[in-house]
Amino acid sequence: DGGITQSPKYLFRKEGQNVTLSCEQNLNHDAMYWYRQDPGQGLRLIYYSQIVNDFQKGDIAEGYSVSREKKESFPLTVTSAQKNPTAFYLCASSSDRVNTEAFFGQGTRLTVV
Amino acid sequence: DQQVKQNSPSLSVQEGRISILNCDYTNSMFDYFLWYKKYPAEGPTFLISISSIKDKNEDGRFTVFLNKSAKHLSLHIVPSQPGDSAVYFCAASALWSGNTGKLIFGQGTTLQVKP
Repeated sequence: DGGITQSPKYLFRKEGQNVTLSCEQNLNHDAMYWYRQDPGQGLRLIYYSQIVNDFQKGDIAEGYSVSREKKESFPLTVTSAQKNPTAFYLCASSSDRVNTEAFFGQGTRLTVV
Repeated sequence: DQQVKQNSPSLSVQEGRISILNCDYTNSMFDYFLWYKKYPAEGPTFLISISSIKDKNEDGRFTVFLNKSAKHLSLHIVPSQPGDSAVYFCAASALWSGNTGKLIFGQGTTLQVKP
């Protein structure tokens, strides 16, 4: 089945440690995105990539880093510089057709302990 | 600044009645609008969309209305069912952004449909 897979579903991290969230898609989509959801807020864009080996900062990129070495994969690293990393992280992808929806993964709940 | 706003955090309706979820936007460059449904601890799933060249789009029980002059869109669910209980997000994008997947989301409205 085609789709987006995020792993792990739950992740615990000690304060001061970096952690990497995985996102893989087999939809042959060119574009991939990382969003963050906090309680009572909408989804905020962290980073996005429209093509392999290229990515751009979203609205809240500070404290995060990404790579796009393969079309299928777009991992997100939450660094120790991120001041409030506990959140629900969502990965999405979309084709390059005009006016098309983005498809989301099931999310990763990151908790800093 | 919040470019897409859903001013009602929650809505409760009776099963079988109409649910109306509202969304306002500020950026007149937005030309594509989407509604997503989200259950707790899951990713959002796409419901319905509308392009700015239309004022209405219908898909089964779901209808989205767009009022460009008022910069307002709404999602109507008729009839509402208990399984519709979820958080609904409105999202918008603009062709100028280079890719319609770069969506700007509202804060979400939690819909509860009571049996």
